[in-house]
Amino acid sequence: KQEVTQIPAALSVPEGENLVLNCSFTDSAIYNLQWFRQDPGKGLTSLLLIQSSQREQTSGRLNASLDKSSGRSTLYIAASQPGDSATYLCAVSRSNDYKLSFGAGTTVTVRA
Amino acid sequence: NAGVTQTPKFQVLKTGQSMTLQCAQDMNHEYMSWYRQDPGMGLRLIHYSVGAGITDQGEVPNGYNVSRSTTEDFPLRLLSAAPSQTSVYFCASSLNRRNTEAFFGQGTRLTVV
Repeated sequence: KQEVTQIPAALSVPEGENLVLNCSFTDSAIYNLQWFRQDPGKGLTSLLLIQSSQREQTSGRLNASLDKSSGRSTLYIAASQPGDSATYLCAVSRSNDYKLSFGAGTTVTVRA
Repeated sequence: NAGVTQTPKFQVLKTGQSMTLQCAQDMNHEYMSWYRQDPGMGLRLIHYSVGAGITDQGEVPNGYNVSRSTTEDFPLRLLSAAPSQTSVYFCASSLNRRNTEAFFGQGTRLTVV
């Protein structure tokens, strides 16, 4: 069974600092990995999707890397802003049945 | 486009009652799924569907039923609500089973008393 872990569960940073969010998974046989953002009381919004053959994806201030062999992905958010405050979840799609396994998320607070 | 629409947003049930959570998408997606989100845990898959007329169980299917009579709609039925089913429920859709860029509804917060 695929286990997805996100540590830390929460972090608080001052505005302008770069954010580094970690995601680890136990089974390297993945199809892809997604990072989502969840605002309080809202649904999930897809931020980045990395195929298993890719090493990284970038969108604006966001960059996600994938190291399949070590079972790790990192989401970098440059020059954080208070609007980046949210919970960030990673999800891994299994290569045998494409089902998504989710981490519990990292709740980020960016202080103005 | 509305994307994925879930109703209701909030619901309180008494133990033993039944209800249906509605989910509709307007993106002509083949793949739809239901998850529950509990504090400190990742989203867990309840049921999923790869197309109209085809459904299958996920990780935590007990106590829930689904059907998929059209491409657009994927309702989740709670047969006899239990306090353990208190959770936030999310419906999601994606183009197909392999293209797993998922689009989520806003969620239904369910409390069973």
